[in-house]
Amino acid sequence: NAGVMQNPRHLVRRRGQEARLRCSPMKGHSHVYWYRQLPEEGLKFMVYLQKENIIDESGMPKERFSAEFPKEGPSILRIQQVVRGDSAAYFCASSPGDNQPQHFGDGTRLSIL
Amino acid sequence: AQSVTQLDSQVPVFEEAPVELRCNYSSSVSVYLFWYVQYPNQGLQLLLKYLSGSTLVKGINGFEAEFNKSQTSFHLRKPSVHISDTAEYFCAVSAYSSASKIIFGSGTRLSIRP
Repeated sequence: NAGVMQNPRHLVRRRGQEARLRCSPMKGHSHVYWYRQLPEEGLKFMVYLQKENIIDESGMPKERFSAEFPKEGPSILRIQQVVRGDSAAYFCASSPGDNQPQHFGDGTRLSIL
Repeated sequence: AQSVTQLDSQVPVFEEAPVELRCNYSSSVSVYLFWYVQYPNQGLQLLLKYLSGSTLVKGINGFEAEFNKSQTSFHLRKPSVHISDTAEYFCAVSAYSSASKIIFGSGTRLSIRP
């Protein structure tokens, strides 16, 4: 079974552009989580989604950030009008259900020029 | 709310020596506890978890951790480390009531010297 797939692995954007990060969960997993890891820090929870529903977005910045997990296709984390401070590694995890172990992807490293 | 403190940002040890990575947590409710390992440019792998029952938890790669409720600690140990254990280790916690939301510590970088 393929693990959690994230793409791209590396993404470079200029200030003001949009960044789209994709996450395909493991087969059979219907729950997706996004985390952000700033340099020299641990992962910070951003958002928890099930198919077509946002369950918990308490870690999402109020502006410019959005996430979706459509009925078909991968989950998307979208960052509009990126700024230097958005540079980080963004990790996606998936699980087969609520309160089940989360399996992590290898992350997308976002660099803002 | 929950929080996790990893007291050491870096731990250097010699190969085949024992190691302990320290972790303390804070929570007003019952929690699950985890240790994850992150190799360079990769995602996190679950080493072990404490859900309930025996306070000594054994994980993969020869690691184990002991839950100490009175000291609110969950230290990770390995009796003899190998070069391949070089990685970043994260302690994490989630509340029973919101187990899907994991709170991570800031990490401990374990470097193994030959």
